[in-house]
Amino acid sequence: GAVVSQHPSRVICKSGTSVKIECRSLDFQATTMFWYRQFPKQSLMLMATSNEGSKATYEQGVEKDKFLINHASLTLSTLTVTSAHPEDSSFYICSASWGYRWDEQFFGPGTRLTVL
Amino acid sequence: AQSVTQLGSHVSVSEGALVLLRCNYSSSVPPYLFWYVQYPNQGLQLLLKYTSAATLVKGINGFEAEFKKSETSFHLTKPSAHMSDAAEYFCAVSDNTGNQFYFGTGTSLTVIP
Repeated sequence: GAVVSQHPSRVICKSGTSVKIECRSLDFQATTMFWYRQFPKQSLMLMATSNEGSKATYEQGVEKDKFLINHASLTLSTLTVTSAHPEDSSFYICSASWGYRWDEQFFGPGTRLTVL
Repeated sequence: AQSVTQLGSHVSVSEGALVLLRCNYSSSVPPYLFWYVQYPNQGLQLLLKYTSAATLVKGINGFEAEFKKSETSFHLTKPSAHMSDAAEYFCAVSDNTGNQFYFGTGTSLTVIP
C-alpha cells in the first residue's frame, strides 16, 4: 500500500512553454501533498505544501506564479511549471501523506524535466 | 533553523561488512530525524525515524540509527551489508510541526561482492 505515482517520468520541452506534472496517491487519500526539487548532487528542496481544497503554501524563495500547484482532489496534485526556462531543468519529486501527517510521507518516483 | 550534513557522498562496503552512514544535524529546537532510501528510478522510502521517543531506532531491512544529542548525530547502521542495500540514502530533519523539513545531500552506498 501507500503508492504514489508521478507522470510523466521524463519530459523535455522548449523554453517558454508550460509543463504539467501529476502526482497521484494510488491507494490512499492524501490530505497533504508536498513538492520537492532536487538538483544533481544536492538535497531535496521543499518547494511547497498543498492541502486538498486549499491554496498551496510555498517555501521562501519559490515563485508561486512560476510553479502553480493544484490539489483539487484527495488523490491528485499537479505542479505546472509556467514559461519554463533552462534553469528550471531539475528533478521534481512529490510526496503525499494522510491525515496531515507530514512525518509519514510517501514519495513518488520523480519527474526529470529538461528545458531546452 | 535546521540543517543536516551527510559526511561522505559515496560509501563502499563489502558484502557482509558493517554499514555506517553518517548524519549530523543542526537544530534550534528538539528535532525529528529521518532516514530515507532511494533505489534507482524509484521514490524515497522511509527507513526509520526518531520523534523524541527511544534514542535507538530500529527500521526496516535491518537498519537502525541512534540519536545522540551530545554529538548532534543520527548515524545509520546495519551489521551486515547485502547487495540489495546498494542505493542512495538521505537523512532529513524537521521540527515537531513539520513546518521545516530539510534533507541532506545524500550518500550513495555501493556494496562490493
